[in-house]
Amino acid sequence: DAGVTQSPTHLIKTRGQHVTLRCSPISGHKSVSWYQQVLGQGPQFIFQYYEKEERGRGNFPDRFSARQFPNYSSELNVNALLLGDSALYLCASSRTSGGHTDTQYFGPGTRLTVL
Amino acid sequence: DAKTTQPTSMDCAEGRAANLPCNHSTISGNEYVYWYRQIHSQGPQYIIHGLKNNETNEMASLIITEDRKSSTLILPHATLRDTAVYYCIVRVGGGGADGLTFGKGTHLIIQP
Repeated sequence: DAGVTQSPTHLIKTRGQHVTLRCSPISGHKSVSWYQQVLGQGPQFIFQYYEKEERGRGNFPDRFSARQFPNYSSELNVNALLLGDSALYLCASSRTSGGHTDTQYFGPGTRLTVL
Repeated sequence: DAKTTQPTSMDCAEGRAANLPCNHSTISGNEYVYWYRQIHSQGPQYIIHGLKNNETNEMASLIITEDRKSSTLILPHATLRDTAVYYCIVRVGGGGADGLTFGKGTHLIIQP
């Protein structure tokens, strides 16, 4: 089975612009989570979506938003980009939302550079 | 979720067992121990998880102390491809949608 896929692989934007990142979960998985990883740090949780509804949110500003589609794929949107938004954005999928059976499997990430 | 403490870095010779420790002294009874690893610039890879019994899969073994305050991830025969940052995470089971809380992990370097 295919793993989690993300697009694009790399992206360069300028300050103030908007960006959309995309994620397709593993087949059969209904939950998608987004993480931001800045250089030298571990990933930080942004959102979790399950059955098209937001189920959890990390400590990120309202410039960050996401949605999940009927096929369980997801988009992460970031408005008014700042230099500090430069990071690796990771998507993880799981069968359900929460619980020890909710093992999350990560995609390869999208490397966003803001100039 | 409980906080974890891991050494910043470790070395291991190729072919030997790599033993990565993790302290989680404030772990609650319903929190599981998860291990992930991340090879440079790739997405984290799930390795193993457990509650209180030792667990083994094709990648590794997880040994959890009886009081559950610490655990050890064992890679039985380390190869150069095992060089990565290893993250120990504790997470509540049975509910919650707050994501995984990653620390800085242990940078494991396998020496030829």
